[in-house]
Amino acid sequence: DSGVTQTPKHLITATGQRVTLRCSPRSGDLSVYWYQQSLDQGLQFLIQYYNGEERAKGNILERFSAQQFPDLHSELNLSSLELGDSALYFCASSGGGAETQYFGPGTRLLVL
Amino acid sequence: GQNIDQPTEMTATEGAIVQINCTYQTSGFNGLFWYQQHAGEAPTFLSYNVLDGLEEKGRFSSFLSRSKGYSYLLLKELQMKDSASYLCAVENDYKLSFGAGTTVTVRA
Repeated sequence: DSGVTQTPKHLITATGQRVTLRCSPRSGDLSVYWYQQSLDQGLQFLIQYYNGEERAKGNILERFSAQQFPDLHSELNLSSLELGDSALYFCASSGGGAETQYFGPGTRLLVL
Repeated sequence: GQNIDQPTEMTATEGAIVQINCTYQTSGFNGLFWYQQHAGEAPTFLSYNVLDGLEEKGRFSSFLSRSKGYSYLLLKELQMKDSASYLCAVENDYKLSFGAGTTVTVRA
């Protein structure tokens, strides 16, 4: 158990819909990272927040957005969902520097 | 751009040693991570190399050569539970760029 929690574990929805994934970092960690893992793309970095502010951005689609709240939990919002958005979405946390990232158990999203 | 290459699959026998190579060409480099991932589960941290050389951690060791853009993960005394995907990741500017992963199968 890494100490990072994610909800929900599974999510099934339809194309065109919007979903919100939630992540709580390890106690004391200020940084939260979001990753997408699909069979054909591997693990892809989406976005990082540090203490409430966006710090780094990867290949995140415009239909996706994220935020980190004052209590340091984070949410990833996915809108206008497409079949290709079906994937495992992982959240990771770290202390904030170039440190080890600890991954949560992931949310498995299936778009039908 | 980021280019991180690892072999797709490797098979080894229980008790043996396996070496997983990773070569990278990236626009920046702060350090290199190795993660283990069992199917459908979260990646778990194995090792982190910043400087050239070998880092040993029990049955797992990791090596880095920054000048050659090369790293390897050495798994010794293989156990059945080591069957998993091993991910090489380059860290730069707080971002991790992952290789596609190497699936290691351990046979009895």
